[in-house]
Amino acid sequence: TQLLEQSPQFLSIQEGENLTVYCNSSSVFSSLQWYRQEPGEGPVLLVTVVTGGEVKKLKRLTFQFGDARKDSSLHITAAQPGDTGLYLCAGDELNSGYSTLTFGKGTMLLVSP
Amino acid sequence: SQTIHQWPATLVQPVGSPLSLECTVEGTSNPNLYWYRQAAGRGLQLLFYSVGIGQISSEVPQNLSASRPQDRQFILSSKKLLLSDSGFYLCAWSSQGPYEQYFGPGTRLTVT
Repeated sequence: TQLLEQSPQFLSIQEGENLTVYCNSSSVFSSLQWYRQEPGEGPVLLVTVVTGGEVKKLKRLTFQFGDARKDSSLHITAAQPGDTGLYLCAGDELNSGYSTLTFGKGTMLLVSP
Repeated sequence: SQTIHQWPATLVQPVGSPLSLECTVEGTSNPNLYWYRQAAGRGLQLLFYSVGIGQISSEVPQNLSASRPQDRQFILSSKKLLLSDSGFYLCAWSSQGPYEQYFGPGTRLTVT
């Protein structure tokens, strides 16, 4: 089983600050996904990265997949209270035509006004 | 567009009682379906997945079971609930291609 380590586990910042959260593994992933989950709701897919070194931007969020496809980072510029939530990374383990995802334990982000 | 439904949204059950949680997907055919459990707002634990009707794979030995009676219906069951079964249960689907998973709204189960 591939393991994904996320850091930090918890982050509390003020509105307008920048932040980066990390997702690391010793294993190689076919692709990696980032989700955001608000309390009491299901996770919502933000992005999928599939190519080593790939960078994707979603408004103020920048996602990067490591060259070796073992790690990823999420950078948020000028954080807003609406960014508050649990950020989960998940690695895609291809096997016989179906997929199972290995999830990290998440980074809980709190952005205060 | 595709949508995924789960019910009930919340459930309080006594220890030893049975359980049935239902998940349905609309707008897609032959999806992969998944059941996860999440404890205390942290990472997701995969419980079961299914690649087709009647095909169930179990990831964690436990007193839970899953069934897929129809293409877009996935059911999580238990004959006798334990206190440790409390948690937030999430259903998800993915298509055969991109392997991205889309989650339902979840069911909060409290076993008393």
